[in-house]
Amino acid sequence: KAGVTQTPRYLIKTRGQQVTLSCSPISGHRSVSWYQQTPGQGLQFLFEYFSETQRNKGNFPGRFSGRQFSNSRSEMNVSTLELGDSALYLCASSFRGSWADTQYFGPGTRLTVL
Amino acid sequence: GQQVMQIPQYQHVQEGEDFTTYCNSSTTLSNIQWYKQRPGGHPVFLIQLVKSGEVKKQKRLTFQFGEAKKNSSLHITATQTTDVGTYFCAENTGTASKLTFGTGTRLQVTL
Repeated sequence: KAGVTQTPRYLIKTRGQQVTLSCSPISGHRSVSWYQQTPGQGLQFLFEYFSETQRNKGNFPGRFSGRQFSNSRSEMNVSTLELGDSALYLCASSFRGSWADTQYFGPGTRLTVL
Repeated sequence: GQQVMQIPQYQHVQEGEDFTTYCNSSTTLSNIQWYKQRPGGHPVFLIQLVKSGEVKKQKRLTFQFGEAKKNSSLHITATQTTDVGTYFCAENTGTASKLTFGTGTRLQVTL
């Protein structure tokens, strides 16, 4: 069974631009979560989607948004990029998104904002 | 808000030595999960503990959940170079997936 895939793997943008990242979960998984990883703040939860509905949201500004499609693929968008948005963005999928489910992480998208 | 601290932040050991990382929370944890992230990689799930005082073993790895459910530990016996990476504890909070990660412990193993 194929793992979680994320595209693109690397991205360079300039301040003020916007970016869209994509995540394809493991086949059959309906929950997709997004995390931001930085050296200073560590791993932080962004949001979680299940069956096209956002069920949980972390403490990030409204510039960070996401959505999930009927095939469970998910995208996250960051508008008006700031230097501090440079990070590794990870998505994770699980079967039902319950606390007992194992989370499977993708390889991440490395975003650099210049 | 909840903070999950891990100590040490970094540890360098010789191959064959033991290693332990500790995860401490200011509040009671409903569960604790452990992940390993290799350099340049992504977090990989290792195990989940739910019960007070629970101990689980995976080959050379031993995981414990404290009696008060406010701390947890991961112990590696006789480290190998393949154990290199950062180990994170995390709590999966709420009814939906939301992992609150600890600060992580980076392990370096040299021959």
